Amino acid sequence: DVKVTQSSRYLVKRTGEKVFLECVQDMDHENMFWYRQDPGLGLRLIYFSYDVKMKEKGDIPEGYSVSREKKERFSLILESASTNQTSMYLCASTPERGRYGYTFGSGTRLTVV
Amino acid sequence: AQKVTQAQTEISVVEKEDVTLDCVYETRDTTYYLFWYKQPPSGELVFLIRRNSFDEQNEISGRYSWNFQKSTSSFNFTITASQVVDSAVYFCALSEADNTSGTYKYIFGTGTRLKVLA
Repeated sequence: DVKVTQSSRYLVKRTGEKVFLECVQDMDHENMFWYRQDPGLGLRLIYFSYDVKMKEKGDIPEGYSVSREKKERFSLILESASTNQTSMYLCASTPERGRYGYTFGSGTRLTVV
Repeated sequence: AQKVTQAQTEISVVEKEDVTLDCVYETRDTTYYLFWYKQPPSGELVFLIRRNSFDEQNEISGRYSWNFQKSTSSFNFTITASQVVDSAVYFCALSEADNTSGTYKYIFGTGTRLKVLA
């Protein structure tokens, strides 16, 4: 069964902390994505990566960075967590961006206090 | 501009009723893809179906069916004889080529929460 695995289901962090959200996929997909999901706003793209060490900003990249050192792993970094980054974070992957459905992880609910 | 509208924020039905979730999209491209996803309470979005813009054939999969109409820019999703396990948030999505970047731009609707009551 193909999978996208997010390392934490729930996280609580303090304002100003550096936060790492990890995502691993076992499908050999080229493309990986980070979204955040907020009530009433749907899913918003933060960053995506189409190859190892390649990344592009999505619609809301401010306050975030990403790392993709290996094909299977895509990390989202909150440089200095703030309360407005409290959200559900979803990682996804797909073999070809746009033409196929995405496989999502189960999400990380991050609370910044 | 590319846009996906799911006007129904929340729908409640009684088990065994049929229910249709609406999705209306806007795009300038002639080549695009439409998708539906299900997000149960556990949180993981699950891909249900993909349609490309050249294939208007409706699709049925068990109790699920999808009606794609280019004339009305709609891609509606019907659940027949709904069950409690169908309770979830359902997202419609559109993907079209971004001529500036040469990649595809993928946009989700805001979702429809379906509650199926026993």
